[in-house]
Amino acid sequence: RKEVEQDPGPFNVPEGATVAFNCTYSNSASQSFFWYRQDCRKEPKLLMSVYSSGNEDGRFTAQLNRASQYISLLIRDSKLSDSATYLCVVNPSGSARQLTFGSGTQLTVLP
Amino acid sequence: DADVTQTPRNRITKTGKRIMLECSQTKGHDRMYWYRQDPGLGLRLIYYSFDVKDINKGEISDGYSVSRQAQAKFSLSLESAIPNQTALYFCATSDHRGFTDTQYFGPGTRLTVL
Repeated sequence: RKEVEQDPGPFNVPEGATVAFNCTYSNSASQSFFWYRQDCRKEPKLLMSVYSSGNEDGRFTAQLNRASQYISLLIRDSKLSDSATYLCVVNPSGSARQLTFGSGTQLTVLP
Repeated sequence: DADVTQTPRNRITKTGKRIMLECSQTKGHDRMYWYRQDPGLGLRLIYYSFDVKDINKGEISDGYSVSRQAQAKFSLSLESAIPNQTALYFCATSDHRGFTDTQYFGPGTRLTVL
C-alpha cells in the first residue's frame, strides 16, 4: 500500500463547478498535512496546510479526518486558472520534517 | 529573482556519463532536499541535508550522490547515468525554525539519459 494515495483523475469540470479531491494516508502517526499545486512542467507550490479543525482560504477548503486517515480539498466556483495537478502531502514522522507526496490528482477546468 | 535555482534546466546525456545537477538558494534555509518525479509515481526523495555537515539517504539514493558545499548550495551527482534515471529532478529547501514543514521548490531539471 502506498503511504499517500490519491485518485489520479483526470477531473474535467466546467467553470463555476465545485470539485472535491480526497487523499488517504497509511501512517496513523502522521503529524502534518498539506496540499500542493503543480502546474504542467513546473515546480510544486504550497497551496495550503491542512489543520485538524479544517481550514479555508478563499474558494479552497481543506479538511482532515484523522480517524479515517484521509484529507480532502474542496474547490468552489472553479476558475480556468485552477487547472493543475493537486498533490496531497503528508509528514509521516513529525520531527524529521520529511514529506511524502501523493502522485497527484489532475484537474482541468473547462470554459 | 527566484529563491531556489537549479542548473541546468534541461540536460540530455548518454549512458555511463557523469552528471552533476546544482541547486542554490537565497532563502537562508538550513535544510535542502533532492527529489525526482516520474509520471504516475509522484515525487520521491533521493537525499536530504539538514545542515552543511549532515547528509542523509532518502527513499531512492542508489546510483546518486550529493554534496553540500555551503548552506546555500546542494548538488546531486549521477556517477554513471543510466536510462531509468531519466526524470524531472527538483531541489527543495525548508527552515527548521519554521512553524510548518513547508518546502520550497526550485524550477526543476529535466534530465534525459539516452
